[in-house]
Amino acid sequence: DAKTTQPNSMESNEEEPVHLPCNHSTISGTDYIHWYRQLPSQGPEYVIHGLTSNVNNRMASLAIAEDRKSSTLILHRATLRDAAVYYCILGNQAGTALIFGKGTTLSVSS
Amino acid sequence: GAGVSQTPSNKVTEKGKYVELRCDPISGHTALYWYRQSLGQGPEFLIYFQGTGAADDSGLPNDRFFAVRPEGSVSTLKIQRTERGDSAVYLCASSLGSSALGDTQYFGPGTRLTVL
Repeated sequence: DAKTTQPNSMESNEEEPVHLPCNHSTISGTDYIHWYRQLPSQGPEYVIHGLTSNVNNRMASLAIAEDRKSSTLILHRATLRDAAVYYCILGNQAGTALIFGKGTTLSVSS
Repeated sequence: GAGVSQTPSNKVTEKGKYVELRCDPISGHTALYWYRQSLGQGPEFLIYFQGTGAADDSGLPNDRFFAVRPEGSVSTLKIQRTERGDSAVYLCASSLGSSALGDTQYFGPGTRLTVL
């Protein structure tokens, strides 16, 4: 399985934008880039996914590099509720297990 | 709408005992997954069902672990002769299971298993 590399931790202030990077230099042509997050004492929660083009939804934006070897999850205005572990995961078909790394622990200060 | 539910939320058992953990997926989701998460780690895949059959059980750590999904909906993860190392949060997820790429998994809150 293709692997991803993320920083262990990041810090942000409330209402500021947050850019969470992910490197995936061995990504294959059919791999989607998925982002999940896990709030304390909860199961992981889907955030966003994309293949080649940048994606936006109500939670976040996903910016994908042209060569697809890296991507960035963008939270436009961080809130205290966004404090969580963020996982960047590659997957290429339904029925494929998600391979979680350790993710990035995001801290948000008021 | 109703999400994935798991029962019990907490389970404390003694070493050597048998436990069952239950997962109720989102209605209409044909794919169901079990993961295990140890403290400070990301979730680790255990087994995947498509309908009633286990399509991939490569993540089960040994033959003490078994899972069933007899009617293609509710699933039960069964652990025999529990060991202290089995202590973890057991997560269940479900998805539509469509052939489309990028099928999203929806997770339950997990069952925290403690083996004394």
